[in-house]
Order: sequence, then structure tokens, then C-alpha cells
Amino acid sequence: AQTVTQSQPEMSVQEAETVTLSCTYDTSESDYYLFWYKQPPSRQMILVIRQEAYKQQNATENRFSVNFQKAAKSFSLKISDSQLGDAAMYFCAYRSGSGTYKYIFGTGTRLKVLA
Amino acid sequence: NAGVTQTPKFRVLKTGQSMTLLCAQDMNHEYMYWYRQDPGMGLRLIHYSVGEGTTAKGEVPDGYNVSRLKKQNFLLGLESAAPSQTSVYFCASSYSINIYEQYFGPGTRLTVT
Repeated sequence: AQTVTQSQPEMSVQEAETVTLSCTYDTSESDYYLFWYKQPPSRQMILVIRQEAYKQQNATENRFSVNFQKAAKSFSLKISDSQLGDAAMYFCAYRSGSGTYKYIFGTGTRLKVLA
Repeated sequence: NAGVTQTPKFRVLKTGQSMTLLCAQDMNHEYMYWYRQDPGMGLRLIHYSVGEGTTAKGEVPDGYNVSRLKKQNFLLGLESAAPSQTSVYFCASSYSINIYEQYFGPGTRLTVT
């Protein structure tokens, strides 16, 4: 069975600085998708970024980028130029590319942004 | 276009009471999901549906039932609520096997006393 692990329950970053959130996963599949979701205090889950396992190039969305290491089964999120609005829970998620339609979420990392 | 909506947003139940949570999406998505979110445990899948009239069990299905009679609606039922079901419940939907992002509702905070 697939698992997703976020080993950092909480992280802090100074405003305008860069922070990296870690995520590792375990799977025997070769085709899968990885996601980072943001959950601000409003509770609304918001997709931050997506990575297809078959793509070697790391995904980037404005200030958000990932470091996808397929062999190491690592999928970290880098937030550059951190802003106060980035403060939230961040969840890493895995979805198989075939078969089941289920997503597996990590336990989350709470990011605090210090002014 | 409201996206994914959930009704109600908050609810307090007494042990043994029943209730139904309603999830509605207006994006014509095929797949719908119910999760529960508990502190330190992330989101855990309760049940999901891959199309109208279909349902399947997720990771933590016990104590819950679901129905997908219409494509746009996915109902989550608690027949006899227990304090262990105190949680925040999220509904999500996604379009098809070729579009993998899930779109989430705003959540329902349920307290069972």
C-alpha cells in the first residue's frame, strides 16, 4: 500500500525568505501523481502544485516549486519570497495513475510566516 | 459557478442521533469523495464514487454510508453518531481519470457529544 510521510509537523520562515517543506512517499507503482495542497485558517483546501511522475522536470507555479526525486521517493515544496498569506497547513498527496481513484494524504506541515 | 458546496457548515449531534451531510458540485465531475480530517492525521478517505449510482469504501468507512443518486450530489450519512465521529468532513470532486486535481468543499465541522 502507498504511504505519504510529512516529517515536519511545523515550520517557521521569515517573511521574504525561502522555506522547504519535506514529503516522502512509498509506492511500487511507476505511474502516479503528486500534489501539494494548502489549507489556510478558512479550512478551504487549495491546490498549490502538481507533479506527474513521468515528467523529469520539476513543476513550478510562481513562487512555489518542487524538488521531485523519483528514485528517492521525495517530493519537497519550496516557497520563495514567503508572504504572510502563505501561512497555512500544507498537505502532500499521492494519487495512483491507474486502477484506484483514491488519494493518499500526508499528515500535514503547519507553516508559520514571521513578519 | 459555485464549485463544491457542503451543507451544513457546522452541526452538533448527540450520541445515537443520525444525520446526512450533503455535497454538491456544479462542475460535472465524475468522481466524488468524502474525507474526514482529524488533528495530526491528515485527510482520511471515508467513501468515494466514480460515477452516478456507484460508491466504494475508502480507508475509514465504518459507521458511515453514502449515496450518489445524482451525478452532482454525494451524500454522507451517519446512522448512529458516536463521539469518535467528531471531526471536520470534506467533500471533494474531480473530473475524470485524465484530470487529477481534486476540488474541495469548505468542510463541515461535526461535534458529537
